[in-house]
This record gives sequence, structure tokens and C-alpha cells, in this order.
Amino acid sequence: KAGVTQTPRYLIKTRGQQVTLSCSPISGHRSVSWYQQTPGQGLQFLFEYFSETQRNKGNFPGRFSGRQFSNSRSEMNVSTLELGDSALYLCASSPSSGGGPYEQYFGPGTRLTVT
Amino acid sequence: AQSVTQLGSHVSVSEGALVLLRCNYSSSVPPYLFWYVQYPNQGLQLLLKYTSAATLVKGINGFEAEFKKSETSFHLTKPSAHMSDAAEYFCAVRGGEYGNKLVFGAGTILRVKS
Repeated sequence: KAGVTQTPRYLIKTRGQQVTLSCSPISGHRSVSWYQQTPGQGLQFLFEYFSETQRNKGNFPGRFSGRQFSNSRSEMNVSTLELGDSALYLCASSPSSGGGPYEQYFGPGTRLTVT
Repeated sequence: AQSVTQLGSHVSVSEGALVLLRCNYSSSVPPYLFWYVQYPNQGLQLLLKYTSAATLVKGINGFEAEFKKSETSFHLTKPSAHMSDAAEYFCAVRGGEYGNKLVFGAGTILRVKS
């Protein structure tokens, strides 16, 4: 089975612009979660989508949004980019959602640099 | 908010020495616990997970972890470090008082000296 893929792998944007990142989950997985990883804040949960519905949301401003399509592919969008949005954005897929012991499979991430 | 504590942001061991990476959780209800590894410029890979079936969990690459409820700990060990073990390791939890989200510790960078 193909793993989780994220596109693009690297991105450079200017402050004030917006950006869209894409994630294709493992075939058959219906849950997609997004995380932001920075040296200062570590790994922080952004949101989770399951069957096109947002199931959980982290503590990020409304500039961060996401969606999931009927084929389970997901996109996240960041509007009005700030320097502090520079980070590695990781996507993870899993067959399940909720509070159980299921594993999340991570993609390689998209490295976003805001200048 | 419930936290996940990884003691030591950096750990250095010699090749062949014991690896011990510490993780403590703060929920009064034991959560599900995971250890992930991240190599440079890559995503996270699951090493092992605790699901309440057994307190000693064996994972990939010779790693294992022991769940100790009395100490609210889930420390990761490997008897003999290899150069290829150099990476960043994350403890993560879900369930219990943490809810449905996967909550990560701050990570520990493991350095292996030859």
C-alpha cells in the first residue's frame, strides 16, 4: 500500500499571502489529521477530519482551515500568512477516529517558509 | 490541560550502550500511549504502542517500553544503541483525560556516539 503523501514538500511564501497544502491518505483510511511542528512549540494538533466532517480542532486561529473530500483526500489552508506560520506541516491518516488505540500514519510533511 | 512530559530534550549514549528515554503522563485515567520516531526531514514512524493488553510492549528496531501505572510512566528502552538510532523520539497519548486528540510530548533527540 502506498503511504501518506503530501504536496508540495517545500513551499516559500510571503507574509500576507495564503497557502493550500494537500494530503492523500492511505487507501481505505477515512481519518486525516493535521499537525504543525516548530522548534519552539513542538508538535501541535490542528484538526482532524473523518468522512468529510471535522471531528476535532486544536487551538489555532481561524486563519487555519481545512476540508476533506469524498475520496478522503484533505487540504489545509492558511490565510494571511505570518512569519510565525513557518513550520513543518504533517498530515496523518488512520482507519478510525475517536479515543481508541489506533495508529496514525504520518506523511513526510510540507515545509512552509514564510518570508 | 493534561500534559505529556519527556525528561531530557537531548540524550547522548555510546554505541552499544543502553538507551532510556523517559515519558510521563498526567491523566488519572490511563490513556493509550505511543512512541514515535522522526528521522531528519521525514514524518513520524510508530515504534510501539500501549493498549492495556500488556504492560511490557515490544516494538520495532529492538525498542520496548514498560507501562507503569503507579509512576504514570511509559519509558522507552533499547538494550544496545546503534548509530542508526540517532533521531528524535516522541511520546504521545490519546484517551483518558486527554480526549480524542493525539497529544505529543516535546520530543527527545537521541545522539549515538561511536
